[in-house]
Amino acid sequence: QKEVEQDPGPLSVPEGAIVSLNCTYSNSAFQYFMWYRQYSRKGPELLMYTYSSGNKEDGRFTAQVDKSSKYISLFIRDSQPSDSATYLCAPRDSGGYQKVTFGIGTKLQVIP
Amino acid sequence: NAGVTQTPKFQVLKTGQSMTLQCAQDMNHEYMSWYRQDPGMGLRLIHYSVGAGITDQGEVPNGYNVSRSTTEDFPLRLLSAAPSQTSVYFCATSDSNQPQHFGDGTRLSIL
Repeated sequence: QKEVEQDPGPLSVPEGAIVSLNCTYSNSAFQYFMWYRQYSRKGPELLMYTYSSGNKEDGRFTAQVDKSSKYISLFIRDSQPSDSATYLCAPRDSGGYQKVTFGIGTKLQVIP
Repeated sequence: NAGVTQTPKFQVLKTGQSMTLQCAQDMNHEYMSWYRQDPGMGLRLIHYSVGAGITDQGEVPNGYNVSRSTTEDFPLRLLSAAPSQTSVYFCATSDSNQPQHFGDGTRLSIL
């Protein structure tokens, strides 16, 4: 079993829909949780960065972490065609240099 | 402010050739890392550095060498390229307990 599991998709939604992207993980030592967005032929771009359990909102994006169930979510409200990309979840431990474990990414397509 | 700059953007090599992928950062970040990204495999850590003169192996280090003589630069060397090293390579930088920032990658094809 992989340390971070993420459905690769693709996930197709109509413009304006609410999108839910999810990951599960097995390492209880993970303390920091990141979501990256990656457009085709570009590097991953940091979207959300949270510490421990709880919610964090930034514009149309909400990151949610439930450490008790080891479940990470990213919600996108009022999705736009420009949101079409691959979304990578990336949890890691705390302190110094900690190796990040990336999910394989979920490919999202928002259809106009 | 360029952030993380990777060169070249594309490269085609023949099996057995050597080359160096360049990574430069202007953010004065302490940590630098090299990843490869393959379909269905996600990002896998090759080597990383926690400061000038200090490097360590990641998940898939075989066939790659690194060195870090300055804070700004972290080159990745392929000594004898193999077709299995065909991939997209990303360099990332960060500070302690901060998220990583990525370059736009080098697409490497080995024939």
